[in-house]
Amino acid sequence: QVQLVESGGGVVQPGGSLRLSCAASGFIFSTYGMHWVRQAPGKGLEWVAFIRFNGNDKFYADSVKGRFIISRDNSKNTLYLQMNSLRPEDTAVYYCAKIDDPYYFDYWGQGTLVTVSS
Amino acid sequence: QSALTQPASVSGSPGQSITISCTGTSSDIGSYAYVSWYQQHPGKAPKVMIYGVSNRPSGVSNRFSGSKSGNTASLTISGLQAEDEADYYCSSYTTSSTWVFGGGTELTVL
Repeated sequence: QVQLVESGGGVVQPGGSLRLSCAASGFIFSTYGMHWVRQAPGKGLEWVAFIRFNGNDKFYADSVKGRFIISRDNSKNTLYLQMNSLRPEDTAVYYCAKIDDPYYFDYWGQGTLVTVSS
Repeated sequence: QSALTQPASVSGSPGQSITISCTGTSSDIGSYAYVSWYQQHPGKAPKVMIYGVSNRPSGVSNRFSGSKSGNTASLTISGLQAEDEADYYCSSYTTSSTWVFGGGTELTVL
């Protein structure tokens, strides 16, 4: 069965950096695009970034463009999100999600909490 | 990248039907048949209930149905059950090669 397990969350000061990981299993990771989606405490879902199956194309929400970098290592079945210049408004649970056709999120991880605070 | 517009809350009694609307623009809902709906219970990850406007994944009850007209999509839940009480989010692919979610709708089963 498909499993997505996020890790790397924690508390970081404003301006700091953090790298999230998402370990995938139960499907052929190298053939599917992957997303990061976040949810601030008590708020709705916000799409963050997408990377195509081969890593060649990456897309970002305006709110994180230039600060976050999505990447993947298909040899390790792992998705990453490098978060730089973090702001208090980046505080959220970050989910990784697998894409399926047509353009929807079919499997989600359990999420990892990132808190940006001094 | 403005969020899609959903009502903040809807409610219904067991057995009744409710509809949640999701309004976007010609740059998202109006351009593609790539609308999906997600159910989220407190403290849990979202679960897809509808994809491609009106398709149900395997295992999702046929009480859930979706539709779209112009820039507005809708999720209908018939025969409301207590377990349907949750937050619901719509999502659409956009002409900017990005995705956008609605603000979410809290469903209360009275």
